[in-house]
Amino acid sequence: DAKTTQPPSMDCAEGRAANLPCNHSTISGNEYVYWYRQIHSQGPQYIIHGLKNNETNEMASLIITEDRKSSTLILPHATLRDTAVYYCICPGGSNYKLTFGKGTLLTVNP
Amino acid sequence: SAVISQKPSRDICQRGTSLTIQCQVDSQVTMMFWYRQQPGQSLTLIATANQGSEATYESGFVIDKFPISRPNLTFSTLTVSNMSPEDSSIYLCSVGAGGTSGRAQGFFGPGTRLTVL
Repeated sequence: DAKTTQPPSMDCAEGRAANLPCNHSTISGNEYVYWYRQIHSQGPQYIIHGLKNNETNEMASLIITEDRKSSTLILPHATLRDTAVYYCICPGGSNYKLTFGKGTLLTVNP
Repeated sequence: SAVISQKPSRDICQRGTSLTIQCQVDSQVTMMFWYRQQPGQSLTLIATANQGSEATYESGFVIDKFPISRPNLTFSTLTVSNMSPEDSSIYLCSVGAGGTSGRAQGFFGPGTRLTVL
């Protein structure tokens, strides 16, 4: 699994876009980038994943740099319910067996 | 997607006792995992629950302390044995299942919050 680096915390105003960065400079060519989040006292929740192209779903967008060494998760209109710890994971051979780092605590402020 | 339930949702136990946590999935899945989340920490993988064979444990976790059963493709149990206060954590069950874009993803149960006195 590629090692990932994320800022420990970020703040965002409600209604604004939240941009969460992740560095994965050792990622290999066939490793996907996954994002999960954990709202307080709940199990982690899958958000999005990608390989090399940018991806968008109903929850978020994922922007992966051309060299694939970093990515950004974008929550386009953050709400208070988006306050959570966000984890960027590159699971390598198994996309189920996940190695969690410390993640980024995103606090959405009113 | 997969819907996962865990029992109990929380418990308070005395040191030296054991607790068995159940994980039930609403569909058959090949891969099931157990994680631990100690207070204020991130998740750590305990083991992979293999159906029909012994679980595969990660470094630092042993079968005598965390015996796991996987009798079928929808159910697993994790036992925390001879508990001490250091075992106070949230224990989470996870499965791998089909997801979007033809790429599978992990789904997590709500967790079991264990406090050992």
